[in-house]
Order: sequence, then structure tokens, then C-alpha cells
Amino acid sequence: AQRVTQPEKLLSVFKGAPVELKCNYSYSGSPELFWYVQYSRQRLQLLLRHISRESIKGFTADLNKGETSFHLKKPFAQEEDSAMYYCALGSTGRRALTFGSGTRLQVQP
Amino acid sequence: DVKVTQSSRYLVKRTGEKVFLECVQDMDHENMFWYRQDPGLGLRLIYFSYDVKMKEKGDIPEGYSVSREKKERFSLILESASTNQTSMYLCASSVPTGGNEKLFFGSGTQLSVL
Repeated sequence: AQRVTQPEKLLSVFKGAPVELKCNYSYSGSPELFWYVQYSRQRLQLLLRHISRESIKGFTADLNKGETSFHLKKPFAQEEDSAMYYCALGSTGRRALTFGSGTRLQVQP
Repeated sequence: DVKVTQSSRYLVKRTGEKVFLECVQDMDHENMFWYRQDPGLGLRLIYFSYDVKMKEKGDIPEGYSVSREKKERFSLILESASTNQTSMYLCASSVPTGGNEKLFFGSGTQLSVL
């Protein structure tokens, strides 16, 4: 069975501090990993996916198959990064994404 | 840009009522999904559909059914609403790419069952 674990419900940092949102997954096949974000009063949207190997809004995430992790990182947090972040797992065997429980990031001034 | 529209932003229903949640997308996407979003539990998949009249159960289908008579519309039905179905319901659509698809979400329907 597929599973995504986000161990932190809430992560609070000060502006300018580094951020790391943790995501671990359980899947025996070759995974596709994503980070989705929901800003206040906005709809859930894709932030980045591992296959693109891109940096979006200063965020990066590296797939570590040995540790089955896909942590989201940003070197210097901004107040506008405050949002709910969800890690998600896709696979060829299942047509729908499996989401984690989410982490709320609060960036304080 | 893809538009996924959910017909109601807020809905209040009574226990035992039959409830219909409607979702329409305008980009000819094959895949459509219904998730519920609960604090501390994240998004959980209820049902999804990969073609007209085709559907598959997700992780928590009990108490729900779905209908997809047209490609652009995917309806979630609560046959007899119960208080534990009070939740935020999110509809999404995507083009199938073998597990790597980008989901486009609607703005959600907050359902309260009294």
C-alpha cells in the first residue's frame, strides 16, 4: 500500500530562516513525488514535482530513494510562504495521487 | 488556464438528506477526482473517474457514490448524509500521464451536516 507521512502538523519559523518541510513515503515501485500548496483563501495548487528538478519560489525538493524522502527546502523563508503544504505520491499502478496529512508553515516577521 | 468549478462554496444539510456536490472542468480532462480535506488527516481520496461512466473507489468510498455522465462533469452523491461527513470536499481534474499528472483543483465545498 502507498503511504505519505508528513510528521509535522505545524512549522513556525522567522523570516529569513531556513525551512525544511519533511515528507516520507512508502511505495515499493518507482515513485512520482509532488508538493502542493494552499495559500489562505486560494485553491490547492502544484508547487513542484521531482521529475522536473526545478526550483519554484525558491523551494527545492530532492527525491532520496534510499531514505524514501522528498523534503521541501528553502534557504530563506518569506512571510508570503505561509501556507498549508501537502506532499503527494503518484504511481503507475494507481491513477490517483496519495496525499500526506499536510504541514502548516507559519513565517513570522 | 484550467478552470475547475464546484457549484457551491458552502452547503448546510440535515442528517439523512441526499446531497449532490457538482464539479465541472473546462479543459477536456479525462481524469476527475473527489477528495475530502480534514485537519490533521490531509486529503483522502473518495472516488475518481478516468472516463465517462467509468469510476473507481478511492480510499474512503463508504457512504458516497459518484456519477460521470459527461466528460466535463463529475458529481459526488451522499446518499444519506451523516454528521461525520461534515468536511471540505475538493474536486480535481487532470490529463492522465501514468502517475505524473498535475492536478487542477476546484475551490472546494464546505459541507456541514447537522
